[in-house]
Amino acid sequence: KQEVTQIPAALSVPEGENLVLNCSFTDSAIYNLQWFRQDPGKGLTSLLLIQSSQREQTSGRLNASLDKSSGRSTLYIAASQPGDSATYLCAASTGANSKLTFGKGITLSVRP
Amino acid sequence: DGGITQSPKYLFRKEGQNVTLSCEQNLNHDAMYWYRQDPGQGLRLIYYSQIVNDFQKGDIAEGYSVSREKKESFPLTVTSAQKNPTAFYLCASSIVSDFQTQYFGPGTRLLVL
Repeated sequence: KQEVTQIPAALSVPEGENLVLNCSFTDSAIYNLQWFRQDPGKGLTSLLLIQSSQREQTSGRLNASLDKSSGRSTLYIAASQPGDSATYLCAASTGANSKLTFGKGITLSVRP
Repeated sequence: DGGITQSPKYLFRKEGQNVTLSCEQNLNHDAMYWYRQDPGQGLRLIYYSQIVNDFQKGDIAEGYSVSREKKESFPLTVTSAQKNPTAFYLCASSIVSDFQTQYFGPGTRLLVL
């Protein structure tokens, strides 16, 4: 059974800092891994999706990497801004028709 | 604008009452999903539907029921058998029924009176 862990549960950084959010998973037979953003009391917005054949994906100031052998994915946020404050969740899938297994999320606060 | 709508935003349930959460999408997506989110927790799958008139149980289906009579609609009923219904409920849909690229609605927060 796939398990997804995100540590720490919360993170506070000053504006402008580059930061890395971590996600670990137990089943290395991963199909893809996704990163989502959730604002308080809102739904999820997909940020990046990495297929198992890929090592990273980039969108603007965001870069997500995937290392299947170590069971880890990271979300790198460059030059953080207060508007980046939100909860970031990762989710892993082990097959084309397999459900997503979500981590508990990391709540990020970027201080002005 | 295409998207997913959920209503109401807040819902209050009395003891022993069934309540229904609405989810509508105009994205022409085949698959729809219901998730439950508790504070500090990841999302857990309640039910999903890959095609009209068909649906499957997820990880925590007990105390919930769904229907899929129309492609654009997937209502969730929280029955009186669900003893701990207080949570944030999220509906999602995807173009094809492969779970992979899901678009989420804004959510409904259910509270017990």
